[in-house]
Amino acid sequence: DTGVSQDPRHKITKRGQNVTFRCDPISEHNRLYWYRQTLGQGPEFLTYFQNEAQLEKSRLLSDRFSAERPKGSFSTLEIQRTEQGDSAMYLCASSPGLAGLNEQFFGPGTRLTVL
Amino acid sequence: AQSVTQLGSHVSVSEGALVLLRCNYSSSVPPYLFWYVQYPNQGLQLLLKYTSAATLVKGINGFEAEFKKSETSFHLTKPSAHMSDAAEYFCAVSEGTNAGKSTFGDGTTLTVKP
Repeated sequence: DTGVSQDPRHKITKRGQNVTFRCDPISEHNRLYWYRQTLGQGPEFLTYFQNEAQLEKSRLLSDRFSAERPKGSFSTLEIQRTEQGDSAMYLCASSPGLAGLNEQFFGPGTRLTVL
Repeated sequence: AQSVTQLGSHVSVSEGALVLLRCNYSSSVPPYLFWYVQYPNQGLQLLLKYTSAATLVKGINGFEAEFKKSETSFHLTKPSAHMSDAAEYFCAVSEGTNAGKSTFGDGTTLTVKP
């Protein structure tokens, strides 16, 4: 068990560019979550997957954001036409689902800076 | 709907003193409650969780928390602070076994003075 991994750890981009982040959950965890954390605040829920199905999306997830989990394993989060307000830490977490009673295991995060 | 309020964005204690971090929650159904710790530039690590079993929950690193339904609270305590406890702490609530998401408080930064 190597834990949840995220790539890249840091991303600096210019406004208007597209970025994509990857999350590899703990193997056999069927739930995967994306959160966004800004300075001085707790993580805010963005979306989650049960296997490959995206079951819930936050209102925070504008149409510039899209997430996928095509084979029920790793997930990607893409932000199109980035804005300075997108600068944040993007956290991924996985959970074994019902068996784990919603305990979530977090990755180290991807810090995005939009110039 | 669910929400979490952490009272006190910054708490400072002396090494060896009691740590008390406050958390109040709101939930329309019986909640699951969690405390996480976050060190700089790292993800969140679970300290402990309440899942409707014992109301006094013991976690890692000597932390514990007590679920009080009448007060809708889930305060985190540690009898004796250590320098390594300096970090940011988040309380979170999740509704029921089928809920996907957790709702987090804004966090409390714990400073430990020598």
